[in-house]
Amino acid sequence: AQSVSQHNHHVILSEAASLELGCNYSYGGTVNLFWYVQYPGQHLQLLLKYFSGDPLVKGIKGFEAEFIKSKFSFNLRKPSVQWSDTAEYFCAVKGRGSTLGRLYFGRGTQLTVWP
Amino acid sequence: GAVVSQHPSWVICKSGTSVKIECRSLDFQATTMFWYRQFPKQSLMLMATSNEGSKATYEQGVEKDKFLINHASLTLSTLTVTSAHPEDSSFYICSARALLDPNTGELFFGEGSRLTVL
Repeated sequence: AQSVSQHNHHVILSEAASLELGCNYSYGGTVNLFWYVQYPGQHLQLLLKYFSGDPLVKGIKGFEAEFIKSKFSFNLRKPSVQWSDTAEYFCAVKGRGSTLGRLYFGRGTQLTVWP
Repeated sequence: GAVVSQHPSWVICKSGTSVKIECRSLDFQATTMFWYRQFPKQSLMLMATSNEGSKATYEQGVEKDKFLINHASLTLSTLTVTSAHPEDSSFYICSARALLDPNTGELFFGEGSRLTVL
């Protein structure tokens, strides 16, 4: 069975601080990996995704994530956070080859950025 | 990005009644839609996968007779919570995939529907 672990439940940072949110997954095959963001009162939005190729992927709003296959990790990073980055961040995994294309989520990390 | 709309966004019902939640893809056709449930401070739990014109595929532990899913058209899927009880109170979120290829199709999410059962 697929599972996704996000180690940080709540992260509090000051503006301009650097961010790294951990994500590990377990799955026996090739995966697609995603980071979604949910701003207060809004629906989930895709930040970035990894399907294949360069393991360092860049997303919107200055976010990036690195896929490290040997560690089953897909950590999210941003060099300098802003107050507007306050949101909940979800890591998700989808096994390639699954005919249903189901997406499984981690429990989320609440990021609070103080101005 | 593509738009997925859920209705109602908020519903309160009495215990024992049934509630229907709609999920519509507004500007694309969705061959597959997914229904998730989110508890406070917890992750999105996949409930079922809905394919247009066929029966939904439920995740382990999800009662198919409790959570009826219908995907009658390429733009509409419905989730009906039958004989609702207070423990069914939750935030229900749908998502839809625009492309046929499950390996590349991006998922778009609805705003969610908050159900409160009294």
